Amino acid sequence: DAGVIQSPRHEVTEMGQEVTLRCKPISGHNSLFWYRQTMMRGLELLIYFNNNVPIDDSGMPEDRFSAKMPNASFSTLKIQPSEPRDSAVYFCASSPHRDRDVEQFFGPGTRLTVL
Amino acid sequence: ELKVEQNPLFLSMQEGKNYTIYCNYSTTSDRLYWYRQDPGKSLESLFVLLSNGAVKQEGRLMASLDTKARLSTLHITAAVHDLSATYFCAVDAGSGTYKYIFGTGTRLKVLA
Repeated sequence: DAGVIQSPRHEVTEMGQEVTLRCKPISGHNSLFWYRQTMMRGLELLIYFNNNVPIDDSGMPEDRFSAKMPNASFSTLKIQPSEPRDSAVYFCASSPHRDRDVEQFFGPGTRLTVL
Repeated sequence: ELKVEQNPLFLSMQEGKNYTIYCNYSTTSDRLYWYRQDPGKSLESLFVLLSNGAVKQEGRLMASLDTKARLSTLHITAAVHDLSATYFCAVDAGSGTYKYIFGTGTRLKVLA
């Protein structure tokens, strides 16, 4: 299995621009999670989906952030407009739904820099 | 609200020595996970602990879970340089959710 796939791996953009991060979960996994990692705040869960439905978005920092999962094999996290404080590494993770005995598997991450 | 604390935050140790990383959490949970992260890399799963008293071992690492004390430990035996990384524990938030709450991480540096 290819594991969780994220793109792009690195993104540098200017303040005010729209940024879209992409994730393909492991096939057969129908829980998908978006995390943000910074030195100051550590690993934060932004939103998670079960069977393509957003279940908990309480970690999404503000309305500038939005996430979608149009099908079982694809999710996006969009920031519009981006700000320098959004600079972080964004991880996508997936796990089998209803199987809490199996851990979450993480993608390689997208390193976002907003200038 | 579930809170997860790890200590120490930083650990520098000599090769060949033993040490333990602690993970405390604030509310009831019976599932805990340990991950490793190398600099600039993703998180790699190390251990899945699913019940009180669970103990898992892989090489020089051993993890245990005491749900009554709300404590998990990650013990390092005879450390080697390759174990240098940041180690995270993550606690299942439970209540029908599939959320993990991650600890702050312990940055381990093993000196040759």
